[in-house]
Order: sequence, then C-alpha cells, then structure tokens
Amino acid sequence: EAQVTQNPRYLITVTGKKLTVTCSQNMNHEYMSWYRQDPGLGLRQIYYSMNVEVTDKGDVPEGYKVSRKEKRNFPLILESPSPNQTSLYFCASSLSKSSGGYNEQFFGPGTRLTVL
Amino acid sequence: DQQVKQNSPSLSVQEGRISILNCDYTNSMFDYFLWYKKYPAEGPTFLISISSIKDKNEDGRFTVFLNKSAKHLSLHIVPSQPGDSAVYFCAAYDYNNDMRFGAGTRLTVKP
Repeated sequence: EAQVTQNPRYLITVTGKKLTVTCSQNMNHEYMSWYRQDPGLGLRQIYYSMNVEVTDKGDVPEGYKVSRKEKRNFPLILESPSPNQTSLYFCASSLSKSSGGYNEQFFGPGTRLTVL
Repeated sequence: DQQVKQNSPSLSVQEGRISILNCDYTNSMFDYFLWYKKYPAEGPTFLISISSIKDKNEDGRFTVFLNKSAKHLSLHIVPSQPGDSAVYFCAAYDYNNDMRFGAGTRLTVKP
C-alpha cells in the first residue's frame, strides 16, 4: 500500500529536550515536505526537500532541522523544543515538478507534539 | 500574510443538500488549485484540483469552480452525505511549485 508514515503519532516532551519525528514514504517520491497545522492558520511549510541531500527552508523553519540522506526518509529534528512548537505536524511527499505538471502531495497521518 | 483564505471556519448542511465551500487567494501567480479533505486523526487527502486555464472541474459529486478575475474558487458537493463531514483545505501552487494552504473549513453534514 502506497503510504507516508510518521512516528511517533503523539509526543509530550519538555522544553529543551531534543526530539526527532521520523517520516518515511514508499512511493519513490523525490519531493518531501514538513508542515505544521495550527488553529486558524492552516498548514504552513517548515522545510522541504527536492531530492536526496537537497533541503530548503519553507515559511516557518526557525527551531527545526531536517535531513534527507535517503530518498524514502525525511526526519524532522527539534534540537531544543519550546512551547511555541506545540502543534500538529504533517509529513508529505510527491513526485517532483521535474516529472511534469503539478503533483498532489500525499500526507502522513500526523504527529501531535506537546512541549511543556 | 495568508495568501489563501477560507473565511468560513465551519459550515453545516443537511444530508442531500448542496455544500458550497469557498476560498479566496491574493497571489495572481497561483496557477493550480487543489482541495484536500481531512478526517480527525488522519492526514489530508487529495480530493480534486483545477488548473488556472479552466473554470470548472467535476469528479462525481464534487465540482470545483475557479473565477480568476475574482481570485476565488469554490467546492460544490452535491448531494452532501454524512461521510463528507470533515475539514476541507483549499491549496494553491505558484510557478515556483510552492504550495500554500488555507486555514480550512469544517463541514458537518447532518443526517
């Protein structure tokens, strides 16, 4: 089954304790992205990756890191989480624009993070 | 600065009636638009899309209308079913392939 998986689904942590949210896709997609969803703001892009070893900032990258060492994986790293990073996080993947046209993004199930 | 706006946070309709969800955008460089549907505890799933060269795209009960001059698009669901109850996100791509999302509209279809 084609899917995007995220782990963990729920996480409660404390300020300053480093954490990683994993994301993996099995569709051989070049493009992967992280979003956060906050009430009244919709989905805002944190970081994206056009392909392996290629990453770039989205609209709200402060406080986050990513890496793309393999095509299927795109982990989101919070080196020193703060309460304003409490949010619902989604990973997504799609074919890249080099494949022609615009491509729908496939989303993971989400990770609800609470930073105390 | 929200470039894609969904001004109605919620909408309630009766089963069998039409649901109309609206979306406005400010960036004239957007040229491809999508609607995503999201159920609780799940990620958004793609529903329907439309290119800026069209003004209508239909897929079963779902139709998206685009009015470029007004920078407005809408999603019509006819007839609405209780299983359509979800949050609907409007999204837009610009020429850089950057996607922007609206804040979402929660649709409730009452039996």
